[in-house]
Amino acid sequence: GAGVSQSPSNKVTEKGKDVELRCDPISGHTALYWYRQSLGQGLEFLIYFQGNSAPDKSGLPSDRFSAERTGGSVSTLTIQRTQQEDSAVYLCASSSMGLAGTLIEQFFGPGTRLTVL
Amino acid sequence: QKEVEQDPGPLSVPEGAIVSLNCTYSNSAFQYFMWYRQYSRKGPELLMYTYSSGNKEDGRFTAQVDKSSKYISLFIRDSQPSDSATYLCALGGSRVSGGYNKLIFGAGTRLAVHP
Repeated sequence: GAGVSQSPSNKVTEKGKDVELRCDPISGHTALYWYRQSLGQGLEFLIYFQGNSAPDKSGLPSDRFSAERTGGSVSTLTIQRTQQEDSAVYLCASSSMGLAGTLIEQFFGPGTRLTVL
Repeated sequence: QKEVEQDPGPLSVPEGAIVSLNCTYSNSAFQYFMWYRQYSRKGPELLMYTYSSGNKEDGRFTAQVDKSSKYISLFIRDSQPSDSATYLCALGGSRVSGGYNKLIFGAGTRLAVHP
């Protein structure tokens, strides 16, 4: 069975350009997460989608960042007018929906390494 | 103050050594304590998790949680070069931090086991 896939694996862009990063979650997983991982930093939560509920956008660092999840499956993270400090690895994870109060394992994709020149 | 503190290392040990990796946290409401392993250029994968306080053992790996001290540990016995990776602690299950599906990660400790 396929795991979480992300594309592109690497992206180099110029400052000020927009970029789109794609995530294909595991089939049947209702929850999808985006994280950012910078050198020496932990995983920084960005946004969380759960089924048809309104997404939790509390981790988005600025209004230049947005994300969509179409049809409850594929998700796209968009960064507008990229800045050098946006350079990082962007990780996507998905999980199934379990009983309330139970831990749900998050399965991660390999990430997209973004470099803003 | 960060919710979760983890020494980023790097930690370099000889093959066969016992490795101790640790995290401290500030929010006593966390209920789930996890360790993820991340190989270079890969996404993290869940290694172990414990619920509430106590120990959990899986082969060469032991996870410990001390809720009174807000301190969690991962021990690796008889470490192997294949254990070389970054180890991230992750905490969840706190409504204060967003509920059961939202995890708070430490910075990760880079471990190198040399033959």
